[in-house]
Amino acid sequence: QVQLVQSGAEVKKPGASVKVSCKASGYSFTSYDIYWVRQATGQGLDWMGWMNPHNGNTGYAQRFQGRVTMTRITSVSTAYLELSSLRSEDTAVYYCARALPTRAVDPWGQGTLVTVSS
Amino acid sequence: DIQMTQSPSSLSASVGDRVTITCRASQSISAYLNWYQQKPGKAPNLLIYAASSLQSGVPSRFSGSGSGTDFTLTISSLQPEDYGNFYCQQNYNTPLTFGGGTKVEIK
Repeated sequence: QVQLVQSGAEVKKPGASVKVSCKASGYSFTSYDIYWVRQATGQGLDWMGWMNPHNGNTGYAQRFQGRVTMTRITSVSTAYLELSSLRSEDTAVYYCARALPTRAVDPWGQGTLVTVSS
Repeated sequence: DIQMTQSPSSLSASVGDRVTITCRASQSISAYLNWYQQKPGKAPNLLIYAASSLQSGVPSRFSGSGSGTDFTLTISSLQPEDYGNFYCQQNYNTPLTFGGGTKVEIK
């Protein structure tokens, strides 16, 4: 079945960077965009951007520009999210998700908790 | 950015009740509107796409309607497993944006 499996929880200090992985299986990885969405504890969903795994093209939400990088390695069907200059407000669960042609999102990865604390 | 506003922010209903959640966009988004359910500690799950199309595997008690700026998610007969937070999301343009969520509790 179509599945996205993410890397485990991370604890980082302010100013550091974090890289989260998302391994796809059950479908052609290069045929669908990958979105990244984050959710702070008890809060709503915040779309960070998209990546086209076929050609590596990306688009980032304005508020993350300059701090976020989305990449992939097609040979292992894995997408990556890197967020730099971390601050406490970046503490959240980070989800990868497959974007359907309608730009609806299905399925989602299980989420990766990133905690930023000194 | 397109702002998405959901109401109510929370509701409590009994099994068998008809439940309606509304979502309003800050500008017309045609039918580029999706609905998700998220249970505590889990990732969201797609229920409805393109405003009114039922995602495969989703029970038929869920339905969506609307176009332009006003949209509705309806649960025709609330079931015990229908608890959680429900979110609308516009995919008319980027950045994609979500509503603030509606928390549904089962009485």
